Amino acid sequence: DTAVSQTPKYLVTQMGNDKSIKCEQNLGHDTMYWYKQDSKKFLKIMFSYNNKELIINETVPNRFSPKSPDKAHLNLHINSLELGDSAVYFCASSQDLRDGGLETQYFGPGTRLLVL
Amino acid sequence: SQKIEQNSEALNIQEGKTATLTCNYTNYSPAYLQWYRQDPGRGPVFLLLIRENEKEKRKERLKVTFDTTLKQSLFHITASQPADSATYLCALSSGGSYIPTFGRGTSLIVHP
Repeated sequence: DTAVSQTPKYLVTQMGNDKSIKCEQNLGHDTMYWYKQDSKKFLKIMFSYNNKELIINETVPNRFSPKSPDKAHLNLHINSLELGDSAVYFCASSQDLRDGGLETQYFGPGTRLLVL
Repeated sequence: SQKIEQNSEALNIQEGKTATLTCNYTNYSPAYLQWYRQDPGRGPVFLLLIRENEKEKRKERLKVTFDTTLKQSLFHITASQPADSATYLCALSSGGSYIPTFGRGTSLIVHP
């Protein structure tokens, strides 16, 4: 019954490695997002996908590459991990807002990434 | 530049009292504003949404006000309970953009 799920929940890795985080939503939403929450608790948008198409790409290093195989999945691949990438990464989904829907976000449980 | 400000200091109150949290913003013309609750180790959970032309919204023990002149929203929890202890985030969405921008949140601690 989980609406938005993410795996893994915890990820500890060495600098320079490549890692992926997976996200799935079973709400039938068209829009999915990746957010980063840093140690100061700011929640910042990274990417937004609508029906498998990239809509928003905030100022994010190109080491971060989202991939959406279908509208229920949005994965995040990170190359050459750096210490500053340590944070909690949240996946979220919402209805398609471009038809006047509202942006209520449904968040996953988060992936805690620690780069050593 | 656009700013969303929430009190970074934790709000401590006694059980049964009304908790009031503040969200101030500058250089925004929000179409609407949302409040979310975040518990430690979990993702934010949506609570209430209020549009720019609405003054007040209620849901059970929760009440949100929105004053676009003062550029402020107040979030109230009446008859607070220890289970209400969490971080509360406000998020603004401007017309034309469908992505909410989040404040850093205020921690609420309700003491029994």
